[in-house]
Amino acid sequence: EAGVTQFPSHSVIEKGQTVTLRCDPISGHDNLYWYRRVMGKEIKFLLHFVKESKQDESGMPNNRFLAERTGGTYSTLKVQPAELEDSGVYFCASSLRTGPTEAFFGQGTRLTVV
Amino acid sequence: EDQVTQSPEALRLQEGESSSLNCSYTVSGLRGLFWYRQDPGKGPEFLFTLYSAGEEKEKERLKATLTKKESFLHITAPKPEDSATYLCAVQEYNTDKLIFGTGTRLQVFP
Repeated sequence: EAGVTQFPSHSVIEKGQTVTLRCDPISGHDNLYWYRRVMGKEIKFLLHFVKESKQDESGMPNNRFLAERTGGTYSTLKVQPAELEDSGVYFCASSLRTGPTEAFFGQGTRLTVV
Repeated sequence: EDQVTQSPEALRLQEGESSSLNCSYTVSGLRGLFWYRQDPGKGPEFLFTLYSAGEEKEKERLKATLTKKESFLHITAPKPEDSATYLCAVQEYNTDKLIFGTGTRLQVFP
């Protein structure tokens, strides 16, 4: 069974440009999460989809970040325009159920804004 | 404010030298406490979920325990392949998000 897949694995962009990260969850997992780790800090929650609906987007830092999950399958996270402080590793995770259940993480996308 | 604190930040062990990692947490209502392992360049890999004080879970050389304020990850007779960053996370009631600590970076030398 394929795990959670994220594209690209690395991205280097200039400040002010746009970047789109993609996450393919495990097939059949309705719950999809985005997390971010900036240098030296802990992994922090960004948002949670249940199917195509945003269940919780309390962790989204500002309106430069837009997450979508059309059709309840893969998800994209767009940063527009990117700022230096957006640099970090963006993780996607998926789970079969809500609640205290195992979440499977992707390998992450390392975003560097220069 | 909900908080998860892990200690130590880094730990160096000789192969076979047992030790424990600590995770202290402050949440209004604990739904679950999670331990993950993360290797360089990879995403966190699930190890355990603990739900209530007094609960213990084991997997190979790892044993996780939980009290009302903290969790311990005991590593018995570690091997070099146990080298990784170990992450603790908590989940509160009425939310599905995980609140992570900064992790403990473990290095086991032969």
